[in-house]
Amino acid sequence: EPEVTQTPSHQVTQMGQEVILRCVPISNHLYFYWYRQILGQKVEFLVSFYNNEISEKSEIFDDQFSVERPDGSNFTLKIRSTKLEDSAMYFCASRSGTGSDTQYFGPGTRLTVL
Amino acid sequence: AQSVTQLGSHVSVSEGALVLLRCNYSSSVPPYLFWYVQYPNQGLQLLLKYTSAATLVKGINGFEAEFKKSETSFHLTKPSAHMSDAAEYFCAVSDLSGNTPLVFGKGTRLSVIA
Repeated sequence: EPEVTQTPSHQVTQMGQEVILRCVPISNHLYFYWYRQILGQKVEFLVSFYNNEISEKSEIFDDQFSVERPDGSNFTLKIRSTKLEDSAMYFCASRSGTGSDTQYFGPGTRLTVL
Repeated sequence: AQSVTQLGSHVSVSEGALVLLRCNYSSSVPPYLFWYVQYPNQGLQLLLKYTSAATLVKGINGFEAEFKKSETSFHLTKPSAHMSDAAEYFCAVSDLSGNTPLVFGKGTRLSVIA
């Protein structure tokens, strides 16, 4: 069964460093999402991406964040200068978009900022 | 704006007992409602969804949920808990188009006692 994959599973970085979280959505899916979950808190929406551009973003998704689909398979989230409060589990999700309402999630990347 | 409230951050049941996880939503438009499960060190897996068809929805692993508009609820149930049901359960809402980002509840951790 097709699934969303994410790498790395765990990333440790120093405050101020740039990180790139990678996702491979399900093939032929058209809509892509990033969510995050700070420990003990809700899963929160960050950004959605369709047709090679951001379709919606939350207040969390400020200028420090960017997303890219550099090729036909990867979908990346970049944090330019990490802060301690960026420590969280980051989930990628994809949706086929052809009459589908279901988002399929990856296993997540745990980001720890020291 | 949409929101989800999950009553009880932690629910503990005996093996073989009824599982009831509560979810109430707030939405200014007819909602789509979802239950996701997260097993340890894994991503979010869709259990079931309500998309304006039948109000009683059956999902995987013997779970079901009933959409009650008058109570703005979408509680998750399973008649008989199994040890393998121990996980974190998330209720989420989006609008009828399915295009809007998911809004999640805080999650309920289910423990099953032998």
